[in-house]
Amino acid sequence: EAGVAQSPRYKIIEKRQSVAFWCNPISGHATLYWYQQILGQGPKLLIQFQNNGVVDDSQLPKDRFSAERLKGVDSTLKIQPAKLEDSAVYLCASIAGGQVNTEAFFGQGTRLTVV
Amino acid sequence: AQSVTQPDIHITVSEGASLELRCNYSYGATPYLFWYVQSPGQGLQLLLKYFSGDTLVQGIKGFEAEFKRSQSSFNLRKPSVHWSDAAEYFCAVGAYNTDKLIFGTGTRLQVFP
Repeated sequence: EAGVAQSPRYKIIEKRQSVAFWCNPISGHATLYWYQQILGQGPKLLIQFQNNGVVDDSQLPKDRFSAERLKGVDSTLKIQPAKLEDSAVYLCASIAGGQVNTEAFFGQGTRLTVV
Repeated sequence: AQSVTQPDIHITVSEGASLELRCNYSYGATPYLFWYVQSPGQGLQLLLKYFSGDTLVQGIKGFEAEFKRSQSSFNLRKPSVHWSDAAEYFCAVGAYNTDKLIFGTGTRLQVFP
């Protein structure tokens, strides 16, 4: 089966610019996550979707970050305007069910550099 | 609140040597525990997981981990490391009946020939 697809793989932008990342989860996976992984740290959950609804966005900096999953399949994460501290790898993951005891599959991530 | 601690930021071993990566968790009940590996430029790949039952869990690539409730630990082991095992290793905890994964800060493994 195809894995979680993310694009672009790399992005370099200047601060105050905007950027968008795309994620296509494994077919049939209802739950989708966006994680932020800053260099030297573990992944931190930004937002979780169940189908096209937001389950948890408590860690999402909503003044600059937004995400959507309109049709319950692929998802986009946007940053506007970007700050230097947003430099990180943004990982998308999906699971089939609604519980963490099922395996989470991760995409390769998008490495964002803000200069 | 759940949390995960990986005390070792960076570990260096010689190829063929044994390996143990430490992981301690904080959670009030029996947690779901995971080890993921991340190779450079790659996403995270699940090595193994523990939910219940036998406290010694076998995973892929020759890795195993042991759940020790008394020590709140879930250390990852491999008897003989290969150069291809060089990567970043993350321990993660999930709460029962939820869909949240909390990750540790990771341990970077370097393997010398």
